[in-house]
Amino acid sequence: EVQLVESGGGMVQPGRSLRLSCAASGFSFEDYAMHWVRQAPGKGLEWVSGINWNSGSIGYADSVTGRFTISRDNAKNSLFLQMNSLRIDDTALYYCVKDIHVEIRGDMGYYGMDVWGQGTTVTVFS
Amino acid sequence: QSVLTQPPSASGTPGQRVTISCSGSSSNIGSTTVNWYQQLPGTAPKLLIFSNLQRPSGVPDRFSGSKSGTSASLVISGLQPEDEADYYCAAWDDSLNGRVFGGGTKLTVL
Repeated sequence: EVQLVESGGGMVQPGRSLRLSCAASGFSFEDYAMHWVRQAPGKGLEWVSGINWNSGSIGYADSVTGRFTISRDNAKNSLFLQMNSLRIDDTALYYCVKDIHVEIRGDMGYYGMDVWGQGTTVTVFS
Repeated sequence: QSVLTQPPSASGTPGQRVTISCSGSSSNIGSTTVNWYQQLPGTAPKLLIFSNLQRPSGVPDRFSGSKSGTSASLVISGLQPEDEADYYCAAWDDSLNGRVFGGGTKLTVL
Protein backbone atom coordinates (compact mmCIF):
# COMPACT_ATOMS: atom_id res chain seq x y z
CA GLU A 1 0.00 0.00 0.00
CA VAL A 2 1.33 3.41 -0.99
CA GLN A 3 1.52 5.52 2.14
CA LEU A 4 2.88 8.80 3.46
CA VAL A 5 2.98 9.40 7.21
CA GLU A 6 3.87 12.84 8.56
CA SER A 7 5.17 13.61 12.03
CA GLY A 8 6.80 16.43 13.94
CA GLY A 9 3.96 18.91 14.18
CA GLY A 10 3.16 20.68 17.41
CA MET A 11 2.49 23.93 19.21
CA VAL A 12 5.25 26.52 19.29
CA GLN A 13 5.69 30.21 19.91
CA PRO A 14 6.57 32.69 17.15
CA GLY A 15 10.24 32.70 16.25
CA ARG A 16 10.79 29.08 17.24
CA SER A 17 11.57 26.10 14.99
CA LEU A 18 10.03 22.76 14.08
CA ARG A 19 11.18 19.91 11.86
CA LEU A 20 8.55 17.91 10.02
CA SER A 21 9.23 14.41 8.77
CA CYS A 22 7.42 12.21 6.29
CA ALA A 23 7.92 8.46 6.03
CA ALA A 24 7.12 6.99 2.64
CA SER A 25 6.31 3.38 1.87
CA GLY A 26 4.83 1.23 -0.86
CA PHE A 27 6.55 2.91 -3.81
CA SER A 28 10.02 3.69 -5.10
CA PHE A 29 10.59 6.92 -3.21
CA GLU A 30 13.71 7.95 -5.11
CA ASP A 31 11.82 7.98 -8.43
CA TYR A 32 9.50 10.87 -7.63
CA ALA A 33 9.48 14.53 -6.71
CA MET A 34 7.96 15.32 -3.33
CA HIS A 35 6.18 18.35 -1.90
CA TRP A 36 4.85 19.95 1.26
CA VAL A 37 1.42 21.55 0.94
CA ARG A 38 -0.33 23.29 3.82
CA GLN A 39 -3.88 24.24 4.66
CA ALA A 40 -4.66 26.85 7.29
CA PRO A 41 -7.82 26.26 9.34
CA GLY A 42 -10.85 26.83 7.15
CA LYS A 43 -8.70 27.97 4.23
CA GLY A 44 -7.52 26.62 0.89
CA LEU A 45 -4.44 24.72 -0.17
CA GLU A 46 -1.04 26.41 -0.37
CA TRP A 47 2.03 24.82 -1.93
CA VAL A 48 4.94 25.29 0.48
CA SER A 49 7.91 23.59 -1.12
CA GLY A 50 8.97 20.89 -3.55
CA ILE A 51 12.08 18.81 -4.16
CA ASN A 52 12.99 16.72 -7.16
CA TRP A 53 14.10 13.11 -7.05
CA ASN A 54 17.80 13.74 -6.35
CA SER A 55 17.53 17.03 -4.41
CA GLY A 56 19.01 18.86 -7.39
CA SER A 57 15.97 21.08 -7.90
CA ILE A 58 14.13 22.72 -5.03
CA GLY A 59 11.42 25.36 -4.89
CA TYR A 60 9.72 27.38 -2.19
CA ALA A 61 6.67 29.57 -1.93
CA ASP A 62 7.55 33.24 -1.40
CA SER A 63 5.87 33.11 2.01
CA VAL A 64 8.45 30.64 3.37
CA THR A 65 11.59 31.41 1.39
CA GLY A 66 14.54 31.97 3.69
CA ARG A 67 12.79 30.39 6.67
CA PHE A 68 11.94 26.84 5.56
CA THR A 69 14.26 24.19 4.14
CA ILE A 70 13.11 21.03 2.40
CA SER A 71 15.29 17.94 2.17
CA ARG A 72 15.01 14.23 1.50
CA ASP A 73 16.88 11.05 2.33
CA ASN A 74 16.25 8.50 -0.42
CA ALA A 75 18.08 5.77 1.50
CA LYS A 76 15.56 6.16 4.32
CA ASN A 77 12.51 6.92 2.16
CA SER A 78 12.02 10.15 4.07
CA LEU A 79 11.11 13.76 3.37
CA PHE A 80 11.76 16.63 5.76
CA LEU A 81 10.80 20.26 6.27
CA GLN A 82 12.89 22.38 8.61
CA MET A 83 10.80 25.36 9.66
CA ASN A 84 12.61 28.26 11.33
CA SER A 85 11.41 31.68 12.47
CA LEU A 86 7.86 30.44 12.62
CA ARG A 87 5.07 32.98 12.40
CA ILE A 88 1.46 32.87 13.51
CA ASP A 89 0.35 32.66 9.87
CA ASP A 90 2.33 29.43 9.46
CA THR A 91 -0.38 27.73 11.53
CA ALA A 92 -1.78 24.99 9.32
CA LEU A 93 -2.15 21.31 8.57
CA TYR A 94 0.97 20.29 6.65
CA TYR A 95 0.63 17.55 4.03
CA CYS A 96 3.45 15.47 2.62
CA VAL A 97 2.69 14.82 -1.04
CA LYS A 98 4.12 12.61 -3.80
CA ASP A 99 4.32 13.79 -7.39
CA ILE A 100 3.77 11.67 -10.49
CA HIS A 101 7.02 13.01 -12.00
CA VAL A 102 10.67 13.05 -10.95
CA GLU A 103 10.91 16.84 -11.32
CA ILE A 104 8.93 19.48 -9.41
CA ARG A 105 8.12 21.32 -12.64
CA GLY A 106 7.27 18.16 -14.47
CA ASP A 107 8.06 17.70 -18.13
CA MET A 108 5.91 18.66 -21.11
CA GLY A 109 3.19 19.53 -18.64
CA TYR A 110 3.20 16.09 -17.04
CA TYR A 111 2.99 16.51 -13.28
CA GLY A 112 0.51 16.18 -10.44
CA MET A 113 0.33 15.31 -6.75
CA ASP A 114 -1.15 11.84 -6.59
CA VAL A 115 -0.51 10.61 -3.05
CA TRP A 116 -1.21 12.67 0.06
CA GLY A 117 -0.52 11.94 3.70
CA GLN A 118 -3.05 12.70 6.41
CA GLY A 119 -1.10 15.72 7.55
CA THR A 120 0.53 16.98 10.71
CA THR A 121 -0.71 20.07 12.53
CA VAL A 122 1.52 23.04 13.24
CA THR A 123 0.17 25.70 15.59
CA VAL A 124 2.12 28.89 16.20
CA PHE A 125 0.73 30.93 19.07
CA SER A 126 1.89 33.89 21.12
CA GLN B 1 -5.33 36.34 -2.88
CA SER B 2 -4.74 33.19 -4.93
CA VAL B 3 -2.79 33.27 -8.19
CA LEU B 4 -5.46 31.14 -9.85
CA THR B 5 -9.05 32.39 -9.60
CA GLN B 6 -11.98 30.08 -8.93
CA PRO B 7 -15.57 30.86 -7.98
CA PRO B 8 -15.96 30.32 -4.23
CA SER B 9 -19.08 28.21 -4.63
CA ALA B 10 -21.08 26.13 -7.07
CA SER B 11 -24.16 23.98 -6.77
CA GLY B 12 -26.32 21.53 -8.62
CA THR B 13 -28.93 18.85 -8.18
CA PRO B 14 -28.26 15.13 -8.61
CA GLY B 15 -27.87 14.20 -12.24
CA GLN B 16 -27.02 17.72 -13.35
CA ARG B 17 -23.89 18.89 -15.10
CA VAL B 18 -21.72 21.37 -13.21
CA THR B 19 -18.76 23.38 -14.46
CA ILE B 20 -16.06 24.91 -12.25
CA SER B 21 -13.77 27.47 -13.83
CA CYS B 22 -10.16 28.37 -13.09
CA SER B 23 -8.57 31.52 -14.46
CA GLY B 24 -4.86 32.19 -14.55
CA SER B 25 -2.26 33.96 -16.66
CA SER B 26 0.41 33.40 -19.28
CA SER B 27 2.94 32.43 -16.61
CA ASN B 28 0.89 29.52 -15.30
CA ILE B 29 -2.14 28.06 -17.10
CA GLY B 30 -1.10 29.74 -20.34
CA SER B 31 2.26 27.97 -20.40
CA THR B 32 1.62 24.58 -18.81
CA THR B 33 -1.04 22.07 -17.88
CA VAL B 34 -3.63 22.15 -15.12
CA ASN B 35 -4.39 19.74 -12.29
CA TRP B 36 -7.65 19.44 -10.39
CA TYR B 37 -8.02 18.14 -6.83
CA GLN B 38 -11.07 17.05 -4.87
CA GLN B 39 -11.15 17.42 -1.09
CA LEU B 40 -14.00 15.68 0.65
CA PRO B 41 -14.91 17.03 4.10
CA GLY B 42 -12.32 16.13 6.70
CA THR B 43 -10.03 14.31 4.30
CA ALA B 44 -6.81 14.92 2.38
CA PRO B 45 -7.09 16.16 -1.20
CA LYS B 46 -7.22 13.68 -4.08
CA LEU B 47 -5.82 14.14 -7.58
CA LEU B 48 -8.78 14.24 -9.95
CA ILE B 49 -7.31 15.50 -13.23
CA PHE B 50 -3.73 16.00 -14.47
CA SER B 51 -2.33 17.24 -17.77
CA ASN B 52 -5.55 19.23 -18.29
CA LEU B 53 -7.76 16.25 -19.00
CA GLN B 54 -6.17 12.99 -17.85
CA ARG B 55 -7.85 11.02 -15.07
CA PRO B 56 -5.80 8.89 -12.67
CA SER B 57 -6.89 5.31 -12.34
CA GLY B 58 -10.08 5.02 -10.33
CA VAL B 59 -11.48 8.47 -11.07
CA PRO B 60 -14.92 8.16 -12.67
CA ASP B 61 -15.30 9.43 -16.23
CA ARG B 62 -18.04 11.76 -14.94
CA PHE B 63 -15.14 14.08 -14.18
CA SER B 64 -13.53 15.81 -17.15
CA GLY B 65 -11.14 18.68 -17.61
CA SER B 66 -10.28 21.11 -20.34
CA LYS B 67 -8.08 24.12 -20.95
CA SER B 68 -8.22 27.08 -23.31
CA GLY B 69 -5.63 29.82 -23.25
CA THR B 70 -5.22 31.00 -19.67
CA SER B 71 -8.35 29.34 -18.31
CA ALA B 72 -9.34 25.81 -17.41
CA SER B 73 -12.55 24.05 -16.48
CA LEU B 74 -13.63 21.02 -14.53
CA VAL B 75 -16.93 19.46 -15.59
CA ILE B 76 -18.84 17.03 -13.44
CA SER B 77 -21.55 15.21 -15.35
CA GLY B 78 -24.31 13.27 -13.69
CA LEU B 79 -23.73 14.97 -10.34
CA GLN B 80 -23.96 12.66 -7.33
CA PRO B 81 -24.40 13.46 -3.62
CA GLU B 82 -20.92 12.14 -2.86
CA ASP B 83 -19.43 14.78 -5.17
CA GLU B 84 -20.10 17.41 -2.52
CA ALA B 85 -16.59 18.64 -1.78
CA ASP B 86 -14.07 21.41 -2.28
CA TYR B 87 -12.36 21.49 -5.68
CA TYR B 88 -9.01 23.11 -6.38
CA CYS B 89 -7.20 23.81 -9.62
CA ALA B 90 -3.40 23.97 -9.65
CA ALA B 91 -0.56 24.64 -12.04
CA TRP B 92 3.15 25.42 -12.21
CA ASP B 93 3.93 29.14 -12.36
CA ASP B 94 7.07 30.13 -14.24
CA SER B 95 7.22 33.61 -12.68
CA LEU B 96 6.96 32.33 -9.13
CA ASN B 97 8.97 29.19 -9.91
CA GLY B 98 6.56 27.05 -7.96
CA ARG B 99 3.19 25.39 -7.86
CA VAL B 100 0.11 27.54 -7.35
CA PHE B 101 -3.43 26.65 -6.34
CA GLY B 102 -6.76 28.28 -6.92
CA GLY B 103 -8.69 29.45 -3.89
CA GLY B 104 -11.04 26.48 -4.13
CA THR B 105 -14.68 26.02 -5.05
CA LYS B 106 -17.14 24.55 -2.58
CA LEU B 107 -19.58 22.35 -4.48
CA THR B 108 -22.96 21.77 -2.89
CA VAL B 109 -25.28 19.03 -4.14
CA LEU B 110 -28.80 20.26 -3.47
